[in-house]
Amino acid sequence: GNSVTQMEGPVTLSEEAFLTINCTYTATGYPSLFWYVQYPGEGLQLLLKATKADDKGSNKGFEATYRKETTSFHLEKGSVQVSDSAVYFCARLDTGGGNKLTFGTGTQLKVEL
Amino acid sequence: KAGVTQTPRYLIKTRGQQVTLSCSPISGHRSVSWYQQTPGQGLQFLFEYFSETQRNKGNFPGRFSGRQFSNSRSEMNVSTLELGDSALYLCASSLTGTGTDTQYFGPGTRLTVL
Repeated sequence: GNSVTQMEGPVTLSEEAFLTINCTYTATGYPSLFWYVQYPGEGLQLLLKATKADDKGSNKGFEATYRKETTSFHLEKGSVQVSDSAVYFCARLDTGGGNKLTFGTGTQLKVEL
Repeated sequence: KAGVTQTPRYLIKTRGQQVTLSCSPISGHRSVSWYQQTPGQGLQFLFEYFSETQRNKGNFPGRFSGRQFSNSRSEMNVSTLELGDSALYLCASSLTGTGTDTQYFGPGTRLTVL
């Protein structure tokens, strides 16, 4: 079935460090791909999305490129801030219809001064 | 434009009881999906409604049910609660739930079963 694999956390970085969170997906069709972020005690916020191969999603300094050849959608940010501390989820939309998102396990990011 | 709202935000029930959670989608959105989030299982899809019809269902027992009203508001119901039903229940809405549509999530309802 459809699945999404994310790197395990927690990831601890110093402020202004470079961030990469790896995400790969099963290649059933050409799903839309998403990154969501969850702050403590809150729901999920859409961070960025990409809907076809080679698309680059970007928002708030975060970027991810839809790589069909490696079935990957890695999240990157050039300089993290303490306020970026949260849990990040990679997700794919099922291509069979019905609007079902399949999520990775989430990666907790801690940014320290 | 107001976001997705969920009520109540917190709920405490005992085993064997039933519970109803409510979700109001973003204005104009017709698709509503429900997800369960637990530390052990992560985020799992429960079901999706569009135009008052259940269009897709996840792998959950029949104790979990839902419905959607003509104004697109949705409710989910869990009967005969079990301890393992303790979770954050998230609702998401999207315009049509097709193609490259994006789901926008509410803040969730935290259910604790004692």
